[in-house]
Amino acid sequence: QVQLVQSGAEVKKPGASVKVSCRTSEYTLSDYYFHWVRQAPGQGPEWMGIISPSGDSTLYAQNFQGRVTVTRDTSTRTVYMELSSLTSEDTAVYYCAREKPGGHFQEWGQGTLVIVSS
Amino acid sequence: QTVVTQEPSLTVSPGGTVTLTCASTTGAVTSNYYPNWVQQKPGQAPRTLIYGTSNKHSWTPARFSGSLLGGKAALTLSGVQPEDEAEYYCLLYLGAGQPWVFGGGTKLTVL
Repeated sequence: QVQLVQSGAEVKKPGASVKVSCRTSEYTLSDYYFHWVRQAPGQGPEWMGIISPSGDSTLYAQNFQGRVTVTRDTSTRTVYMELSSLTSEDTAVYYCAREKPGGHFQEWGQGTLVIVSS
Repeated sequence: QTVVTQEPSLTVSPGGTVTLTCASTTGAVTSNYYPNWVQQKPGQAPRTLIYGTSNKHSWTPARFSGSLLGGKAALTLSGVQPEDEAEYYCLLYLGAGQPWVFGGGTKLTVL
C-alpha cells in the first residue's frame, strides 16, 4: 500500500517551473525528514534536497542550489518540491522519500514524471 | 565532489551468493555514513532493503544482508532468486556539506 502519494505527470516548457507534491495520510510530518530524489531516463537516482522534521531547515544538493525549494504544509500532510528555470535536462522522474531520523529511509513515493519540452 | 562507487554489473547463478560493495572517495565507509541499500526494478519506484548498514525492513527477504567490508558498505545476497534481478543503489550520508549521495548502481543479473 502506497503511503506517499505524489502528484501526476507534468509537461513544462523550458524556463518554466514545476511544483510536485507528496502527500502522506498516515504519518506526522514532524516525525520525519522528507527527501526529494530525481532519476533521469536511463540514469541512477540523484539526491536533490531535504526538509527537516521541524520544517524550519532545508538543505539542497549543490547541483540544484538556487533552483530548488522544498516546503511543506502540515495541515494537509503534504511536502512540495519546486524546481525553476527548467531545461530539457530536468526531464526525469521525481521521487519523494520518507526518512526516520538516523538515516532510516523507510518509504518512497510512486514517482512523478516531469517532461520539459518546447 | 565526493563520488560513491559500486560495481557497474554483476552476474550470479540462481541459488548462488553475491556481494555488492559501495565505496566513497572520502575514505572508509563507516556506520556514521548510515548506508542504505535500495533496490529498483524496471519501471518501479525504488525500495529500501537495508538501512543503517545492516538493518532490514519488514519486507526485506532474509537472504539479503548488509555489512561493512574492507572499508566499504556491502550488500550480500545468499541463495539468489530470479526475482532479485534488479538495479541496486547504495545511499550514503556524507555530512552537512553534501548530505546524501547515491552510488552509481549495480545491475544484478541472475543467470
